[in-house]
Amino acid sequence: DAKTTQPNSMESNEEEPVHLPCNHSTISGTDYIHWYRQLPSQGPEYVIHGLTSNVNNRMASLAIAEDRKSSTLILHRATLRDAAVYYCILRPQGAQKLVFGQGTRLTINP
Amino acid sequence: EADIYQTPRYLVIGTGKKITLECSQTMGHDKMYWYQQDPGMELHLIHYSYGVNSTEKGDLSSESTVSRIRTEHFPLTLESARPSHTSQYLCASRETGSTGELFFGEGSRLTVL
Repeated sequence: DAKTTQPNSMESNEEEPVHLPCNHSTISGTDYIHWYRQLPSQGPEYVIHGLTSNVNNRMASLAIAEDRKSSTLILHRATLRDAAVYYCILRPQGAQKLVFGQGTRLTINP
Repeated sequence: EADIYQTPRYLVIGTGKKITLECSQTMGHDKMYWYQQDPGMELHLIHYSYGVNSTEKGDLSSESTVSRIRTEHFPLTLESARPSHTSQYLCASRETGSTGELFFGEGSRLTVL
């Protein structure tokens, strides 16, 4: 499975945008980029996913580099409830399993 | 909101006991998964199922077993619990399809004394 690299932790302030980076230099052409987050004492929840084009939904935006070797999850206006561990995951097309890495622990300061 | 439920949420049990962690989903998903997660650590896939009567071992070896007799139900069993089994166990499900979103339950936190 292609691997992803994320910073162990990041910190931001409430009501400011947050850019969470993910490197995936060994990504293949059919790998989807998925983001999940895990709030304290809860199971992970889906945030967003994409293949080549940038994606937006009600939770976040996903910016994918033109060469697809990196991507950035953007939280446009962080709240305290966005404090969580954010996982960037590559998923080959047709793959049945989702393999989680260490993720980035995001702290939001009031 | 995800319709996937795990019971019990918390369980403290003595060594040698048999335990079953329940997982049920009402979304009609074929694919179901069990992950194990120690505090502050990453999730490891220990079992998954493609559908009824289908079970596979995941990437992390586990002494637990699973069954899938009904689509909505995917219980995990430990025949003889040990302190090394102390962990959080997370159940998940998804629709068939390469980009299907994975829905997680809230987890079962097991402590074996």
